[in-house]
Amino acid sequence: RKEVEQDPGPFNVPEGATVAFNCTYSNSASQSFFWYRQDCRKEPKLLMSVYSSGNEDGRFTAQLNRASQYISLLIRDSKLSDSATYLCVVRRGGSYIPTFGRGTSLIVHP
Amino acid sequence: GAVVSQHPSWVICKSGTSVKIECRSLDFQATTMFWYRQFPKQSLMLMATSNEGSKATYEQGVEKDKFLINHASLTLSTLTVTSAHPEDSSFYICSASRSGNGEQYFGPGTRLTVT
Repeated sequence: RKEVEQDPGPFNVPEGATVAFNCTYSNSASQSFFWYRQDCRKEPKLLMSVYSSGNEDGRFTAQLNRASQYISLLIRDSKLSDSATYLCVVRRGGSYIPTFGRGTSLIVHP
Repeated sequence: GAVVSQHPSWVICKSGTSVKIECRSLDFQATTMFWYRQFPKQSLMLMATSNEGSKATYEQGVEKDKFLINHASLTLSTLTVTSAHPEDSSFYICSASRSGNGEQYFGPGTRLTVT
């Protein structure tokens, strides 16, 4: 089983839709969790860190479920500009080495 | 804040030559820098992790004599692809991490084409 798994998609949704991605991790010692966004042929950019209590930034909500070992990203009111690949990143406690999921592709169409 | 630059942004070189890529954290000190490679439509692959003043830690399958990493200061790491081959053509991305928070900030990447 891979350490970090994501459904590659693509998720094809209309503008205005709400879409959610999950990311599962296998190592229960994982401590830090992040969502990154990567546009085609560009570098990943930090979207948000994921805290135990969950966090929200505008239309984006991230949640952590330690019991089931997954994190989620919810995007409300999707915009065309949200089309990208969303990468889940997990870092083990005591380690500075992050593990990336392979990403989930989102396509928002008019 | 948290800006990382990479230079060059793209490079074309001939087989057998060496190419050096620089990664700089512009507005913070990076205790750790990471080097990744990404082939088209594939996920990021971590190549190595470097800490300032110490030898880089390479991931399994990455040849340390071919991909030379130097992390001479808290704001600069370099990756040198030695004796480049066409199969080394890829998108090379660095990232830098501040101490403690685990967040990484990526450089814009370097597209290497070896002919």
